[in-house]
Amino acid sequence: KAGVTQTPRYLIKTRGQQVTLSCSPISGHRSVSWYQQTPGQGLQFLFEYFSETQRNKGNFPGRFSGRQFSNSRSEMNVSTLELGDSALYLCASSLGGTEIETQYFGPGTRLLVL
Amino acid sequence: QQQVKQSPQSLIVQKGGISIINCAYENTAFDYFPWYQQFPGKGPALLIAIRPDVSEKKEGRFTISFNKSAKQFSLHIMDSQPGDSATYFCAASTHTGKLIFGQGTTLQVKP
Repeated sequence: KAGVTQTPRYLIKTRGQQVTLSCSPISGHRSVSWYQQTPGQGLQFLFEYFSETQRNKGNFPGRFSGRQFSNSRSEMNVSTLELGDSALYLCASSLGGTEIETQYFGPGTRLLVL
Repeated sequence: QQQVKQSPQSLIVQKGGISIINCAYENTAFDYFPWYQQFPGKGPALLIAIRPDVSEKKEGRFTISFNKSAKQFSLHIMDSQPGDSATYFCAASTHTGKLIFGQGTTLQVKP
């Protein structure tokens, strides 16, 4: 089975712009979670989507949003980019059942905001 | 309450030695404790995970020890190898898709 794929892998934007990142989960997985990884704050949970609905949300401002499509692919959007948004954005997929399941991570999208 | 505290921040071990990384949590609702390994340029990969109803789980050279009363858990890497050099993250979760991660430990195994 193919793993979690994320596009693009690298991105450079300037302050004030917006960006959209894409995540394709493992086939059959219906849950997609997004995380932000920075040297200072580590790995922080952004949100989780399951069956096109946001099921969990972390403590990030409303500039960070996401959505999930009927094929379970997910996108996250960051509007009005700030320098502090420079980070590695990781998505993880899991089956999405009611039991706790392993989350499988993609390679991430590295975003640099200038 | 949602935090997971991980130590040490960095660790240097000789080849063949034992690497030990510790984590502590406060939220007693956590019921799933995975460890992830991350190499540069890659996403985290699950190493081993434990539920609070067991005190120890071993998979190959990797062992998780879990102390529910102390709200602590640790990763032991036996016979550490240079290929184990990576960043290790502990995490905790309830019955949700939200993992709370520790700050990470950078492990260097010297040949």
